[in-house]
Amino acid sequence: GEDVEQSLFLSVREGDSSVINCTYTDSSSTYLYWYKQEPGAGLQLLTYIFSNMDMKQDQRLTVLLNKKDKHLSLRIADTQTGDSAIYFCAERRTNAGKSTFGDGTTLTVKP
Amino acid sequence: ETGVTQTPRHLVMGMTNKKSLKCEQHLGHNAMYWYKQSAKKPLELMFVYSLEERVENNSVPSRFSPECPNSSHLFLHLHTLQPEDSALYLCASSQDGGGDYGYTFGSGTRLTVV
Repeated sequence: GEDVEQSLFLSVREGDSSVINCTYTDSSSTYLYWYKQEPGAGLQLLTYIFSNMDMKQDQRLTVLLNKKDKHLSLRIADTQTGDSAIYFCAERRTNAGKSTFGDGTTLTVKP
Repeated sequence: ETGVTQTPRHLVMGMTNKKSLKCEQHLGHNAMYWYKQSAKKPLELMFVYSLEERVENNSVPSRFSPECPNSSHLFLHLHTLQPEDSALYLCASSQDGGGDYGYTFGSGTRLTVV
């Protein structure tokens, strides 16, 4: 979507770290999310971060939020072939009835 | 299995047919959503229901008709569709009306209009 932008493709080698980036335009975005979509499946919520946080870590996943630059990133440590998927960034403003999604970044992990 | 079940998984229909997509959740969520995902296009929000009341209709053609009989079930009734309506239709639910803690998606229905 135009309010949330992501690069379309990322390719990494197995065992490396992956960093997927996202920028958003609405400074009143309160909640930011990362979803994963594997082939033939729906989207799966990976993690979310509130706008009053800078960082959130969950096992191999690290989310960094730079509110000043309206930039969100998802770092996957020790990337595995099973991490190959489309990753969607999404944002929501307080009291908004819906989330706005980016177009998704296709992550390809090469052995 | 995510907790949101969509049926059927695949559907092929002619342009003059009438069919329905079904979505079911027993997560105790209060809001449900229909999204359309086409190749080379971003996710398109179609409809939002909160507490069984439609709160958003994103300029969707009338050949798509949603129905939410209770907070656990959501339908999308289809009639006289066009080939460009072929897509993956995703249902999602959230705990609250806006989805503070994110959405739970179903696996989708892959629709092909011939």
